Amino acid sequence: AQSVTQLDSQVPVFEEAPVELRCNYSSSVSVYLFWYVQYPNQGLQLLLKYLSGSTLVKGINGFEAEFNKSQTSFHLRKPSVHISDTAEYFCAVSLGGKLIFGQGTELSVKP
Amino acid sequence: DTAVSQTPKYLVTQMGNDKSIKCEQNLGHDTMYWYKQDSKKFLKIMFSYNNKELIINETVPNRFSPKSPDKAHLNLHINSLELGDSAVYFCASSRLGQGASYNEQFFGPGTRLTVL
Repeated sequence: AQSVTQLDSQVPVFEEAPVELRCNYSSSVSVYLFWYVQYPNQGLQLLLKYLSGSTLVKGINGFEAEFNKSQTSFHLRKPSVHISDTAEYFCAVSLGGKLIFGQGTELSVKP
Repeated sequence: DTAVSQTPKYLVTQMGNDKSIKCEQNLGHDTMYWYKQDSKKFLKIMFSYNNKELIINETVPNRFSPKSPDKAHLNLHINSLELGDSAVYFCASSRLGQGASYNEQFFGPGTRLTVL
């Protein structure tokens, strides 16, 4: 069975600081991995995805993630965050036509 | 134009009532989904339809009945609402159908259901 664990429920950070949101997955088969962002009172928006190929994936809004098969991780990073990055971030894996989400990480960017 | 739309955005109702949430996508996708996000923001799939056919049903109570009149619409009807049904319900759609592992889904804005 596949599962996704986001290791931090809340990440407070100051504006312009770097940030890493951690995600680990467990799967017995090849996976497709995603990061979604949910701004307050809105739906989910895809940030980036890993399907195959290069393990470093670049997404929208300056985010990137690195797929590490040996550590079964797919951590999300941004070198310098903005106030507008304050949101809930979800890591997800895709299996058999459905997305399995992690518990979410609340990123709070302070001035 | 909104790609995946849901109505209503907010729904407040009494226990025991029956209510429906509507979803429409104009992306030409074949597959549509319903997800439930609880008060702790945990997201879990409820249903998936591919070309109007139910393909995923994640042990959701029988009080929940999805209906897909065509592949652009997937409505969610809930009978005998309970307090525990209070949540945000998200509709989503994707291009690829059943069995495909690669599954980029596009989400609607959500419907916040409050059962009093």
